[in-house]
Amino acid sequence: KAGVTQTPRYLIKTRGQQVTLSCSPISGHRSVSWYQQTPGQGLQFLFEYFSETQRNKGNFPGRFSGRQFSNSRSEMNVSTLELGDSALYLCASSLAHRWSTEAFFGQGTRLTVV
Amino acid sequence: AQTVTQSQPEMSVQEAETVTLSCTYDTSESDYYLFWYKQPPSRQMILVIRQEAYKQQNATENRFSVNFQKAAKSFSLKISDSQLGDAAMYFCARNNAGNMLTFGGGTRLMVKP
Repeated sequence: KAGVTQTPRYLIKTRGQQVTLSCSPISGHRSVSWYQQTPGQGLQFLFEYFSETQRNKGNFPGRFSGRQFSNSRSEMNVSTLELGDSALYLCASSLAHRWSTEAFFGQGTRLTVV
Repeated sequence: AQTVTQSQPEMSVQEAETVTLSCTYDTSESDYYLFWYKQPPSRQMILVIRQEAYKQQNATENRFSVNFQKAAKSFSLKISDSQLGDAAMYFCARNNAGNMLTFGGGTRLMVKP
């Protein structure tokens, strides 16, 4: 069974631009969560989507947004990019919204803002 | 804020020996899950082991086991018979609402041949 797929794997953007990252969960999984990983702040939760609805949101500015489609694929968007947005963005999929469900991670998208 | 703390930024172990990684956490809840994730150079987070807080028995998965001390809010990972492939970043995490995970800062494990 295919794992969690994140595209693109690498991305270089200029300050002020916007970017969209994509995550395709494991087939049958309906929950998708996004995390930002940086050397300084570590792994931080961005948001979780389940059945096309945002269920939880982390402490990030409104420039960070996301959505989920009916096939459970999810996208996250960052507008007006800042240098500090350079990070590894990880997506995780889970079968359900229940907190005991195991999360499976993708390989991430490495975003560099110059 | 509910936090997860890993006090060892780096650890080193000789191949075939045993190493223990430490983790403490903060929570006001009685029911929750704790996890150890491994992140190799490929960057993909892999679940190593999971512990349900209401279960007193420590979880084990082959060479990996945990020492869960609920009252002390401690959750350490023991790796027995360490292998070169165990070298990676290890993250301790606990769940919050839904599937939201709070991670510790990570421990880099090096395995010496």
